[in-house]
Amino acid sequence: GAVVSQHPSRVICKSGTSVKIECRSLDFQATTMFWYRQFPKQSLMLMATSNEGSKATYEQGVEKDKFLINHASLTLSTLTVTSAHPEDSSFYICSAFSDQYNEQFFGPGTRLTVL
Amino acid sequence: KNEVEQSPQNLTAQEGEFITINCSYSVGISALHWLQQHPGGGIVSLFMLSSGKKKHGRLIATINIQEKHSSLHITASHPRDSAVYICAAGGGATNKLIFGTGTLLAVQP
Repeated sequence: GAVVSQHPSRVICKSGTSVKIECRSLDFQATTMFWYRQFPKQSLMLMATSNEGSKATYEQGVEKDKFLINHASLTLSTLTVTSAHPEDSSFYICSAFSDQYNEQFFGPGTRLTVL
Repeated sequence: KNEVEQSPQNLTAQEGEFITINCSYSVGISALHWLQQHPGGGIVSLFMLSSGKKKHGRLIATINIQEKHSSLHITASHPRDSAVYICAAGGGATNKLIFGTGTLLAVQP
């Protein structure tokens, strides 16, 4: 099956700093990638849809200036949490859609802790 | 009412038992996913279904499109099956998924 990686797997930062999370499709091309957030004991919530070569589409209630998404290539999307605050602490998960397999493949997630 | 509902929310089983987790959805879908999430968070995709039934090892997933219902079965359960199982419905042109709240399964030896 197709593999999606995320980096870093875990990050701790100080309040006010920015954090970049990478999502890579390792053995397939993905024109569409998705970014999710999961708070403790809750389900995944879609934050935004990342489209290669165009602007991301954000879900209602998600601040696009705070969560910057860049999908510069068919294998890489990045999520930058700008001016992070403790309430941004969460588990961030990406997925990549494979046209070849007609299926979404999930990354392992990144746990962000903002002190 | 959530668009994707799972039952039960929590399930404790003894090793070897047959386990069923249910998922009902109210949205139109092109596919339904079953995912597994272990403590620590990583998501593993188990199945993607658009009709019928799929089997992989001790796991079986079924879907009834007319009734908008899917089930995940685990045969001969083992403690290593302990995890959160999540169903997600969606697909279509946007490929967006709506997630259920998950079923926390604990298999005791």
